[in-house]
Amino acid sequence: AQSVAQPEDQVNVAEGNPLTVKCTYSVSGNPYLFWYVQYPNRGLQFLLKYITGDNLVKGSYGFEAEFNKSQTSFHLKKPSALVSDSALYFCAVRGLSDNYGQNFVFGPGTRLSVLP
Amino acid sequence: EAQVTQNPRYLITVTGKKLTVTCSQNMNHEYMSWYRQDPGLGLRQIYYSMNVEVTDKGDVPEGYKVSRKEKRNFPLILESPSPNQTSLYFCASSLGGVNRVTQPQHFGDGTRLSIL
Repeated sequence: AQSVAQPEDQVNVAEGNPLTVKCTYSVSGNPYLFWYVQYPNRGLQFLLKYITGDNLVKGSYGFEAEFNKSQTSFHLKKPSALVSDSALYFCAVRGLSDNYGQNFVFGPGTRLSVLP
Repeated sequence: EAQVTQNPRYLITVTGKKLTVTCSQNMNHEYMSWYRQDPGLGLRQIYYSMNVEVTDKGDVPEGYKVSRKEKRNFPLILESPSPNQTSLYFCASSLGGVNRVTQPQHFGDGTRLSIL
């Protein structure tokens, strides 16, 4: 069974500094990895995904993520944080299962606070 | 505008009173899914549907029902709600087909249910 861990409940970073939100996963076979962001009173918005190919994936709003197969990680990064990046971030994996990968499995979420 | 629409957005009700949360998408997506979001647990899948008249259980299906009579609609039914079903619920949709596992999901803005 697949699983996702986000080891930090909360990440605080000063505006203008680089940010990293961590994600590790466990899945049978090739992983399909996703990052979503949730702003208050809104649904989740897709940021980026890793399917295959280049380990560095670029997404929306200047975010990128690095896939590391040996460490089974998919950390979200941004070179320069903005106050408007403050939100709840979810990592998700979709992999082979008895249901042929129909289920997304989400991590518990990491709350990012960017301080002015 | 491409969107997933949930109604109602907020509902306070009492134990045992049947309720339905509607979900509609305008993107002609084959795949639809319901999640509940609880603090510290991330999103957990309740039910999903790969296409019309095809539904299957997710990780936490107990106490819920769904139907998929039309491609655009995927209502969530609580026949006899209980306080432990108090939660934030999200409907999501995505493309199906052979590449379905690589497709991100589009989320509604959520329905906050309180069962007293």
